[in-house]
Amino acid sequence: NAGVTQTPKFRVLKTGQSMTLLCAQDMNHEYMYWYRQDPGMGLRLIHYSVGEGTTAKGEVPDGYNVSRLKKQNFLLGLESAAPSQTSVYFCASSYDRGQGNEQFFGPGTRLTVL
Amino acid sequence: AQSVSQHNHHVILSEAASLELGCNYSYGGTVNLFWYVQYPGQHLQLLLKYFSGDPLVKGIKGFEAEFIKSKFSFNLRKPSVQWSDTAEYFCAVNALTGGGNKLTFGTGTQLKVEL
Repeated sequence: NAGVTQTPKFRVLKTGQSMTLLCAQDMNHEYMYWYRQDPGMGLRLIHYSVGEGTTAKGEVPDGYNVSRLKKQNFLLGLESAAPSQTSVYFCASSYDRGQGNEQFFGPGTRLTVL
Repeated sequence: AQSVSQHNHHVILSEAASLELGCNYSYGGTVNLFWYVQYPGQHLQLLLKYFSGDPLVKGIKGFEAEFIKSKFSFNLRKPSVQWSDTAEYFCAVNALTGGGNKLTFGTGTQLKVEL
């Protein structure tokens, strides 16, 4: 049982390049989330999904897109990377509300945009 | 919208000292409350959580937190810290208003425990 995994672990991009971050969970969770973590700002929700085929905007969605084609996977895309998107990205997943909504986190992806 | 405040951004303690980290939230309805810990270079792990019932919640590694509804607070405590408790601690709240299962995090408290 791997829990929540993320690929890649590190990435360096040039301004304007695109990339996709992959999150996978093997706990059969309905809900999945993408956060970014910046110093002094805690974690901020980018996008989330309440089930396969659904996505919704979080607190800081601009510049990002997501897809949830399979229940176990949640992809985060950057179409045209900007230096302001330099951050550590965490994926998380949880059961639905009835399970008390504890979120389980992946190990993170450290992204640098030059 | 809900918000979470952690007033202590950096805390330095000596081993065996007692710890209390403050957390206040702003939301008048029913909430679920969490404390997560992030050890250096690692992902977030759940320390403890409050859903209902006894407002004094015990978590892993000797941590506990008390939910005081009248003060909108959920402070984290540990009677005697260890060097291995050096980490960043995040308080989080989920307001049960519908529309998903979203957590709002505080900005975190960096704890350094010195030998």
